Amino acid sequence: NAGVTQTPKFQVLKTGQSMTLQCAQDMNHEYMSWYRQDPGMGLRLIHYSVGAGITDQGEVPNGYNVSRSTTEDFPLRLLSAAPSQTSVYFCASSYSPGALGEQYFGPGTRLTVT
Amino acid sequence: AQKITQTQPGMFVQEKEAVTLDCTYDTSDPSYGLFWYKQPSSGEMIFLIYQGSYDQQNATEGRYSLNFQKARKSANLVISASQLGDSAMYFCAMREVSGTYKYIFGTGTRLKVLA
Repeated sequence: NAGVTQTPKFQVLKTGQSMTLQCAQDMNHEYMSWYRQDPGMGLRLIHYSVGAGITDQGEVPNGYNVSRSTTEDFPLRLLSAAPSQTSVYFCASSYSPGALGEQYFGPGTRLTVT
Repeated sequence: AQKITQTQPGMFVQEKEAVTLDCTYDTSDPSYGLFWYKQPSSGEMIFLIYQGSYDQQNATEGRYSLNFQKARKSANLVISASQLGDSAMYFCAMREVSGTYKYIFGTGTRLKVLA
């Protein structure tokens, strides 16, 4: 199993550009989530999904969109990049939302917006 | 509202000694899970230990144990016999079983083990 994969690993954007961060998992996990990590702020939840076709907002959803058309994929779209979105982005997945279990994390994407 | 608090931004511990990292939480859901993750300088997130809200005994995994005090809403991580490789960021996290299912994290504690 590849686990949770994220692409790209690094990205530099100019203000106003849009892009999609890709996330995929091959563990048949129903629950997937996106976090951003900033110094001193821990991991903040952006969006999450409890299954294909179902998404919901986390703590910091503004400026980001998600969709979940398949169990495997959970892309994160930046609509119009801003310097405040410079961060490290982690995608994670876990088993059924009704069952408690740890999340499996991707390696992260380091995004810089200039 | 669901909340996780880690009040120690940084901690030092001498090699081979034990250290406790604090975590308090708040939730109205009677069923929830508490987790600890380690993030070394390389950046990956490593799961360490889990405690369910209905578990009667404190969780242990090797040198890691979770001191779960439900009435005080605390879930402190205890690392015994610290090693240099334990130097890392440590995050406490919580997930509610019902309600929103959100999986949220604290701000983390940076642990430095001294030789």
